[in-house]
Amino acid sequence: QGQMQQSGAELVKPGASVKLSCKTSGFTFSSIYISWLKQKPGQSLEWIAWIYAGTGGSRYNQKFTGKAQLTVDTSSSTAYMQFSSLTIEDSAIYYCARDTSGYFAYWGQGTLVTVSA
Amino acid sequence: DIQMTQSSSSFSVSLGDRVTITCKASEDIYNRLAWYQQKPGNAPSLLISGASSLETGVPSRFSGSGSGKDYALSITSLQTEDVATYYCQQYWSTPRTFGGGTRLEIK
Repeated sequence: QGQMQQSGAELVKPGASVKLSCKTSGFTFSSIYISWLKQKPGQSLEWIAWIYAGTGGSRYNQKFTGKAQLTVDTSSSTAYMQFSSLTIEDSAIYYCARDTSGYFAYWGQGTLVTVSA
Repeated sequence: DIQMTQSSSSFSVSLGDRVTITCKASEDIYNRLAWYQQKPGNAPSLLISGASSLETGVPSRFSGSGSGKDYALSITSLQTEDVATYYCQQYWSTPRTFGGGTRLEIK
């Protein structure tokens, strides 16, 4: 049974960057797609981007192009998302999820990012 | 981007009721529709993919239906543990998009 374990909560200042991690287990990492999603408190979900762990190829929601950058480390079966030039509007819970042809059967527990001066 | 509209943001229901939650896409999504359940403080959990395929381990009181632009999630005989927010999501095109969510509350 696959699992996805995300890094802990972050408190960051406006204008800063943050790098979130998502360590997977129980999957053949090089064969999976991983998506990242955003959920602001009390709101629905937004899909940010996916990355194919085998090649590092990725595709982004145009809304997050230039804001988010996805990478993977196959040696540790870990995916990363760097989020830059943070504003208060970026305060949210960020999830990683295994992307199976576009839907998400496995999710991390989420990482709360709070942007505050 | 394809817009996903869930007609009700919340429902007040009684235990044992049959509940139907609807979701409308702004264009045909060819059954590329998933439903998720989310309880407070937890990540979403996949219930249904392909509009009607129940995920392993999901109780059979959940079912999905629909085609084209219009889809529905039904729960027969609502249980206490079904109190949650439900989201639809299309994966016909990128970006993947979600409905606004429907929250079920007990009367």
